[in-house]
Amino acid sequence: GENVEQHPSTLSVQEGDSAVIKCTYSDSASNYFPWYKQELGKRPQLIIDIRSNVGEKKDQRIAVTLNKTAKHFSLHITETQPEDSAVYFCAASNPPRGYNKLIFGAGTRLAVHP
Amino acid sequence: GAVVSQHPSWVICKSGTSVKIECRSLDFQATTMFWYRQFPKQSLMLMATSNEGSKATYEQGVEKDKFLINHASLTLSTLTVTSAHPEDSSFYICSAREVFGSGRANTGELFFGEGSRLTVL
Repeated sequence: GENVEQHPSTLSVQEGDSAVIKCTYSDSASNYFPWYKQELGKRPQLIIDIRSNVGEKKDQRIAVTLNKTAKHFSLHITETQPEDSAVYFCAASNPPRGYNKLIFGAGTRLAVHP
Repeated sequence: GAVVSQHPSWVICKSGTSVKIECRSLDFQATTMFWYRQFPKQSLMLMATSNEGSKATYEQGVEKDKFLINHASLTLSTLTVTSAHPEDSSFYICSAREVFGSGRANTGELFFGEGSRLTVL
């Protein structure tokens, strides 16, 4: 089955700096890669996602890149703000197989210091 | 956007009792729902996949007789933790995808419930 690894486990940056979180996956058939932000005690919130027919996607300060050959994808947050502080999870799945079984990475705790 | 509601949001029970958690899709029909468990400061671990009208598929290491899943309709799935013990204390979160044939069904997007925090004394 799919296995997703995520690094780093914790990340501390100064406000205004960029943050990068990286993930690798094992199943070459996976073709959907979402990123979630989770605040303490709350549900994961989808912040951006990318599919295998795209190499990069950007939404304001957030961007995701995908390298299918290497089976890794990354989240980039620019101009970080204190409210970006949360736990971020990457995930991978293969929707057309009939399920959308998302397998999550271990998470990255991001702290943005004013 | 699609809304998934989970109830109760938190529950405290005595060891040995059973607890039922409901997951409802409010504005869409969900062919498939997923149940995740999250221990403090850890990731979301998939427990099982439930499909409307059929038996749930459990992930390796998850006891199907302990975590009973029922997906009786396209808008409701339930997770029952039977004979709960303190080690079952966790945050349980459901998620759902829309039925095939709709615009969102094959996009891959899942919609998460608010989560249910279970504490077993």
